[in-house]
Amino acid sequence: ETGVTQTPRHLVMGMTNKKSLKCEQHLGHNAMYWYKQSAKKPLELMFVYNFKEQTENNSVPSRFSPECPNSSHLFLHLHTLQPEDSALYLCASSQKDSGQSSYNSPLHFGNGTRLTVT
Amino acid sequence: GENVEQHPSTLSVQEGDSAVIKCTYSDSASNYFPWYKQELGKRPQLIIDIRSNVGEKKDQRIAVTLNKTAKHFSLHITETQPEDSAVYFCAARSGYSTLTFGKGTMLLVSP
Repeated sequence: ETGVTQTPRHLVMGMTNKKSLKCEQHLGHNAMYWYKQSAKKPLELMFVYNFKEQTENNSVPSRFSPECPNSSHLFLHLHTLQPEDSALYLCASSQKDSGQSSYNSPLHFGNGTRLTVT
Repeated sequence: GENVEQHPSTLSVQEGDSAVIKCTYSDSASNYFPWYKQELGKRPQLIIDIRSNVGEKKDQRIAVTLNKTAKHFSLHITETQPEDSAVYFCAARSGYSTLTFGKGTMLLVSP
């Protein structure tokens, strides 16, 4: 049983559709992440939220729009995607220490959403 | 920013042999180096990690070594078993920053 759950597991959408990916973490962490995993590429960091505030946006196209309403939930809103956006989208969470230790716990990943854009 | 190179991209071994996967990193300030295992159709899971204040860490058949001077670290799996077959990712991070991952190594263990 993973502490990070993602829905849906699979999603097929047309280029004109609008859909959303959902992630929920049950670990009490305060940081959440979206990663994109494509074949033969490293895990690509897309967005980072610390304490519900977006702290990183790795030059992600505006057709991907994240939302973090609280520290347990993270969404990725999708619209007018391209076929090359087809990939596995992984959510992850960690615990970041806000003090001087700069401690950041290991990442815990969800099972991902396999997205196919047709 | 950090750059992590991982080799080889694929590795085939016979059951019982040892497997070694190597990674190099570019940021000398990096101080945390985890390894993740991703089985087919499943999520990446942390299997072992090492911090820069130690040179080696072992957990049963898995060990990780770190050479800070050369800026490289390696994953060693002994007595490999078919269930070790998966994609393995190394990663590096300095302080509060986010992880930078290598491209992954597909390990195939033949019975």
